[in-house]
Amino acid sequence: KAGVTQTPRYLIKTRGQQVTLSCSPISGHRSVSWYQQTPGQGLQFLFEYFSETQRNKGNFPGRFSGRQFSNSRSEMNVSTLELGDSALYLCASSAGSSGYTFGSGTRLTVV
Amino acid sequence: AQSVTQPDIHITVSEGASLELRCNYSYGATPYLFWYVQSPGQGLQLLLKYFSGDTLVQGIKGFEAEFKRSQSSFNLRKPSVHWSDAAEYFCAVGSMEYGNKLVFGAGTILRVKS
Repeated sequence: KAGVTQTPRYLIKTRGQQVTLSCSPISGHRSVSWYQQTPGQGLQFLFEYFSETQRNKGNFPGRFSGRQFSNSRSEMNVSTLELGDSALYLCASSAGSSGYTFGSGTRLTVV
Repeated sequence: AQSVTQPDIHITVSEGASLELRCNYSYGATPYLFWYVQSPGQGLQLLLKYFSGDTLVQGIKGFEAEFKRSQSSFNLRKPSVHWSDAAEYFCAVGSMEYGNKLVFGAGTILRVKS
């Protein structure tokens, strides 16, 4: 059974640009969550999607957005990138009480 | 507000020694509890989880954790540490009442000395 796949693994972007990250959940998992990990703030919840609907959202500015497709794959978008957006972005998929399985993450560097 | 405290930022143990990593939570709902491990540059790997039932939970790689509701704790233990256990460990709490949102502790970095 394939795990959670995140692409790309690494990204370098310039301030002011936008970026799109992709997450393919485990087959059959309908819930996809996104987290930001930084040395200063740790792991913080961004948002969660279930059956193409955003079900929960963390305390991040509107520059951070996401969506989920009918095949449960999810994307997150960050517009007008700031230096402080440099982080490891982790995606997790879940099927109820199975817990949350994380992908390897996308390392975003904003220069 | 929900919060998770891992009081130890770093812990160093000798290979073969026992390990206990502490986790305390503050949560206004029935919690689900998790321990994850992260190697540098990698994602999070689930070690074990507690949803309900037996408060002593067995996980992968020889780890176990005990849920103590009265102490709001979910400490992770391993009887004999291997050098490959060196990594960062995260405790997390979630709840159906708060949706599929995990609140993580700050993490504990485990160093293993030979």
